[in-house]
Amino acid sequence: EAQVTQNPRYLITVTGKKLTVTCSQNMNHEYMSWYRQDPGLGLRQIYYSMNVEVTDKGDVPEGYKVSRKEKRNFPLILESPSPNQTSLYFCASSRAGGPRTDTQYFGPGTRLTVL
Amino acid sequence: KQEVTQIPAALSVPEGENLVLNCSFTDSAIYNLQWFRQDPGKGLTSLLLIQSSQREQTSGRLNASLDKSSGRSTLYIAASQPGDSATYLCAMGSNYQLIWGAGTKLIIKP
Repeated sequence: EAQVTQNPRYLITVTGKKLTVTCSQNMNHEYMSWYRQDPGLGLRQIYYSMNVEVTDKGDVPEGYKVSRKEKRNFPLILESPSPNQTSLYFCASSRAGGPRTDTQYFGPGTRLTVL
Repeated sequence: KQEVTQIPAALSVPEGENLVLNCSFTDSAIYNLQWFRQDPGKGLTSLLLIQSSQREQTSGRLNASLDKSSGRSTLYIAASQPGDSATYLCAMGSNYQLIWGAGTKLIIKP
């Protein structure tokens, strides 16, 4: 089954404790992206990747890191989480055209709470 | 600044009605307009993608239209069912990201 998977689905952590949210897709997609969704602010892009070893900042990259060493994986790293990073996070993937031309496929989301 | 607006924020209708959800956007140089559905506890599901060169797309009971000149898109749902209850989001495709509306929460009453 074609899908985007995220782990963990739910996470409660404390300020400053490094964490990684994994994202994996099995559709051989070139483009991958991370969004966060907050009440009243909607969905905002954190980082995106057009292909392996190619990443770039979205609208809200502060406090996050990403890497794209393999085509299928695009982990989101929070080096020192803070309470304002409490949010619902979504990973997305698509073919090489990205949002400009192609349908975006989303993972189930990761609900993160930072205390 | 590119912006996407969805009105109303919430809508409740009886089962069986046909309904229209609205989406407006500020950038006429749009690449595409995408409609998604979001269910509680689940991810975002793509419903329809309309390329800028197209006027509409259809999938089953769903029909989406795009009018670049007026900066508007509509999602038409025919013969609504309780299973259609969800939040519907429209998003404008730009170079590297989707620009999102805030969504319309739809409730279909049995």
